[in-house]
Amino acid sequence: GAGVSQSPSNKVTEKGKDVELRCDPISGHTALYWYRQSLGQGLEFLIYFQGNSAPDKSGLPSDRFSAERTGGSVSTLTIQRTQQEDSAVYLCASSLPPGGSEQYFGPGTRLTVT
Amino acid sequence: RKEVEQDPGPFNVPEGATVAFNCTYSNSASQSFFWYRQDCRKEPKLLMSVYSSGNEDGRFTAQLNRASQYISLLIRDSKLSDSATYLCVVKGGSYIPTFGRGTSLIVHP
Repeated sequence: GAGVSQSPSNKVTEKGKDVELRCDPISGHTALYWYRQSLGQGLEFLIYFQGNSAPDKSGLPSDRFSAERTGGSVSTLTIQRTQQEDSAVYLCASSLPPGGSEQYFGPGTRLTVT
Repeated sequence: RKEVEQDPGPFNVPEGATVAFNCTYSNSASQSFFWYRQDCRKEPKLLMSVYSSGNEDGRFTAQLNRASQYISLLIRDSKLSDSATYLCVVKGGSYIPTFGRGTSLIVHP
């Protein structure tokens, strides 16, 4: 079946512009995560959605970052007034109901802020 | 102390070698443990879960030591295709996993 998809695969934007990144999780996966990975660094947790529960936003680095998940499926991560330090690969992952289950990652969106 | 720590490497080994990675975690309440593999410029993929009794999948063996709070990954008979970054992942009481920064493995002919 289809895996997690993300779009765009690459995004180059000017400092100060807003960007929207999209994630389509695997059908039936109720848990959805956003991460950020900078060059040579580990995965930094950003936000977690589980079903209709309020999202866990504890990883968002600033109020310029926000995310929503519509209908328990597609999610968008929005970064307002982008800064150069926002340049990274943004990864989305989904999993079956929480617990010890495996996370399936999308291919990521490589964001470059010039 | 970081929540999950790994030796970044790189570990540079010849084909056929046996190599082992360790990962330490700080939260004694951690409940679930995993090894993920990440190829260059690709997304992470689950390699194997780590069970309390230890588990093996072909050339790969994972072990958990709760008393010392570390997990290990052993790769036997290394292949060129094993070259990648290996990420240690730990989950505590919340559903948010913590990823280590990864250990780089390079297998050369």
